[in-house]
Amino acid sequence: GAVVSQHPSWVICKSGTSVKIECRSLDFQATTMFWYRQFPKQSLMLMATSNEGSKATYEQGVEKDKFLINHASLTLSTLTVTSAHPEDSSFYICSARAPGTGELFFGEGSRLTVL
Amino acid sequence: DAKTTQPPSMDCAEGRAANLPCNHSTISGNEYVYWYRQIHSQGPQYIIHGLKNNETNEMASLIITEDRKSSTLILPHATLRDTAVYYCIVRALTGTASKLTFGTGTRLQVTL
Repeated sequence: GAVVSQHPSWVICKSGTSVKIECRSLDFQATTMFWYRQFPKQSLMLMATSNEGSKATYEQGVEKDKFLINHASLTLSTLTVTSAHPEDSSFYICSARAPGTGELFFGEGSRLTVL
Repeated sequence: DAKTTQPPSMDCAEGRAANLPCNHSTISGNEYVYWYRQIHSQGPQYIIHGLKNNETNEMASLIITEDRKSSTLILPHATLRDTAVYYCIVRALTGTASKLTFGTGTRLQVTL
């Protein structure tokens, strides 16, 4: 099946710093990728839809200046958590939509811990 | 809004069939029923999907009622590795309804 890879799988950073998480579709071109956040013992919450070559669409309540999304190529989307705080500590997951079938494939997730 | 309702948890003995129900009474005609599962600290894994006919693959079977208002995911011979949170999601393949909105899912615990 299609593979979506995230990097890093885990990261620890100091409060106030910025962290970038990459999401790559390894064997297909994805014009659309999605970013989710998951807190412990909770479900996945959709943060934003990343569209190649255009601005991301953010879900209600998600700060676009806090969570910067860039989808510069058909195989790469990045999520940058700016000025991270401990409450941003979470499991961040991306998914990519395959062309044609529209199927969605998920990355392995990236665990962010902000000290 | 997740648009689906699932029991929060279920137990199943290893080797037995696990039947996970899902209600989606407001499903639209162009929306498919998808099932994903998430093992602890991993990304969701696709299991199966269907529109109105029953479906079967190497992982599971999906039974959709004739009125499409509910469905059941069947794991025919559950193993300990099937312990996970199972999500039932309805989505269209294109447009704004094509994004996956996760509900709370069912936590399946497979026991010896």
